[in-house]
Amino acid sequence: NAGVTQTPKFRILKIGQSMTLQCTQDMNHNYMYWYRQDPGMGLKLIYYSVGAGITDKGEVPNGYNVSRSTTEDFPLRLELAAPSQTSVYFCASSYSGTNNEQFFGPGTRLTVL
Amino acid sequence: GEDVEQSLFLSVREGDSSVINCTYTDSSSTYLYWYKQEPGAGLQLLTYIFSNMDMKQDQRLTVLLNKKDKHLSLRIADTQTGDSAIYFCAESMRSGNTGKLIFGQGTTLQVKP
Repeated sequence: NAGVTQTPKFRILKIGQSMTLQCTQDMNHNYMYWYRQDPGMGLKLIYYSVGAGITDKGEVPNGYNVSRSTTEDFPLRLELAAPSQTSVYFCASSYSGTNNEQFFGPGTRLTVL
Repeated sequence: GEDVEQSLFLSVREGDSSVINCTYTDSSSTYLYWYKQEPGAGLQLLTYIFSNMDMKQDQRLTVLLNKKDKHLSLRIADTQTGDSAIYFCAESMRSGNTGKLIFGQGTTLQVKP
């Protein structure tokens, strides 16, 4: 199993550009999550999904959108990039919501200039 | 709302014990977790404790839970240079079976040879 994979690893965007951060897991996990990690701030939940076709907002959803058309994929879309979205983005997955380990991808480092 | 607090930095000598502390606010959290993040990588689950337990030991790791004070600690015995990383405390969120976690800011552990 590859686990949770994320692409790209790094990206620089100009203000107002859009992009999609890809996340795929091959563990047949129902639950998937997107976090952002700002220096010294821990991880903040952006969006999550409890299964294909179901998504919901986390703590910091503004400026982002997600979709979950398959169990494996959970892409995160930035429509109009802003400097405040400069961060490291982590995707995670878990089998269920009850004490199941969240497995994290390696992260995408995004800079918006 | 729910919140998790950690001290930001800890420095120890190789071979000493490390104790990383965490306080949380949601007394209804069922599980509390410790994750480790090595440089440039995603988070990896180290250990967890169920809220009806006071202590859990797993090889060099000891987790202590004081529910009255909402205080969680992680003790690493015989700390090695390979233990240098950021350690995150997390609590499960109250709202339903979503698997959502609230993370602390992370404690950077520096191990000096």
